[in-house]
Amino acid sequence: DSGVTQTPKHLITATGQRVTLRCSPRSGDLSVYWYQQSLDQGLQFLIQYYNGEERAKGNILERFSAQQFPDLHSELNLSSLELGDSALYFCASSVGRQVGANVLTFGAGSRLTVL
Amino acid sequence: AQRVTQPEKLLSVFKGAPVELKCNYSYSGSPELFWYVQYSRQRLQLLLRHISRESIKGFTADLNKGETSFHLKKPFAQEEDSAMYYCALRTTGGYQKVTFGIGTKLQVIP
Repeated sequence: DSGVTQTPKHLITATGQRVTLRCSPRSGDLSVYWYQQSLDQGLQFLIQYYNGEERAKGNILERFSAQQFPDLHSELNLSSLELGDSALYFCASSVGRQVGANVLTFGAGSRLTVL
Repeated sequence: AQRVTQPEKLLSVFKGAPVELKCNYSYSGSPELFWYVQYSRQRLQLLLRHISRESIKGFTADLNKGETSFHLKKPFAQEEDSAMYYCALRTTGGYQKVTFGIGTKLQVIP
């Protein structure tokens, strides 16, 4: 077990709805990353948090938001869902910001299907 | 902004043949490069990173700053090497960000 836990594993919802994906990082890791994986675009970086603070932002839509809580778990909120949001959402964690200490440990992913 | 390019979505080779998965990057600073692998029904995991200069499962990758490349190589492909391979770049200095390429599916034909 890699130590990064993501829930739910699968989620089916309708367009216009809102969902929350949850991630618990590996014990001791302070950084959490969110990625979206779709067939044609590979792994798209969404956002990164370090110890509760946003550190880097990628191609994250305004309809999406995230946060990292004091216990270091993170949630990715997706609202006004569209068919194109169907994808696998990965969370990854790492120790911190030091060079050489940023190997990412990935969760199993949350598969979102929007109908 | 940094960018990672993997030009091949699919690479098919015969068992025992050499493998080279290409990765090129663009980044104004000094990058940290990685290869991640995702086997069927398994999580994405680190394969190797350039700072370690290691060989993992027979794979090696050399960072060529002149050509801005970090190609993954293996002299003799095995069936168990079939997987998705992602090249990743981590920026250095300030708040680091990890950017992945689109991925290359390696298919080793028995």
